[in-house]
Amino acid sequence: GQNIDQPTEMTATEGAIVQINCTYQTSGFNGLFWYQQHAGEAPTFLSYNVLDGLEEKGRFSSFLSRSKGYSYLLLKELQMKDSASYLCAVRSSFSGGYNKLIFGAGTRLAVHP
Amino acid sequence: GAGVSQSPSNKVTEKGKDVELRCDPISGHTALYWYRQRLGQGLEFLIYFQGNSAPDKSGLPSDRFSAERTGESVSTLTIQRTQQEDSAVYLCASSRSGEETQYFGPGTRLLVL
Repeated sequence: GQNIDQPTEMTATEGAIVQINCTYQTSGFNGLFWYQQHAGEAPTFLSYNVLDGLEEKGRFSSFLSRSKGYSYLLLKELQMKDSASYLCAVRSSFSGGYNKLIFGAGTRLAVHP
Repeated sequence: GAGVSQSPSNKVTEKGKDVELRCDPISGHTALYWYRQRLGQGLEFLIYFQGNSAPDKSGLPSDRFSAERTGESVSTLTIQRTQQEDSAVYLCASSRSGEETQYFGPGTRLLVL
């Protein structure tokens, strides 16, 4: 089956660094995504990893280890506007050449002054 | 350019009625996805269209749910005989062929009384 686990909630202080972990079990792994979703809004794309290692994009970085079924999203220099849900999603390829995203339940991050 | 648009933005209906939700993808995006997001939960895959290929309907929760897409443009998601458990935000996303990133619309918030 497919399973994606991430913490339900996290809190952090403005200016600090926070790491949001995601573990997954899926067949036909074909990439891992992180999306940010503010309350009442649509998810917006943050990062995509298909090979092992760290991808850095400004204040946000994402890491992937395919052998461990593990990823994390690292947020640096936290700002109040970073308070949102962070969704981990795995792309799973299957017969027919189609791909679909399997989403975790999301991690709600609250940034405090 | 214009993003993914969805209508209506909010829909309140009575149990047992049919509803139709609309999605206009980004122009030129051949792939279109529907997801459901219940309150406080992650995204649940419903259906995926890719060009003229047969859609992947593996996520539709029951035969009350159906979706159609006209070519590579607008898609409609129909829920027949709505139940209270169908209350959720229905999100549509689109992507270019061969591109990993999915771009989400603002969603339709459905409330079944």
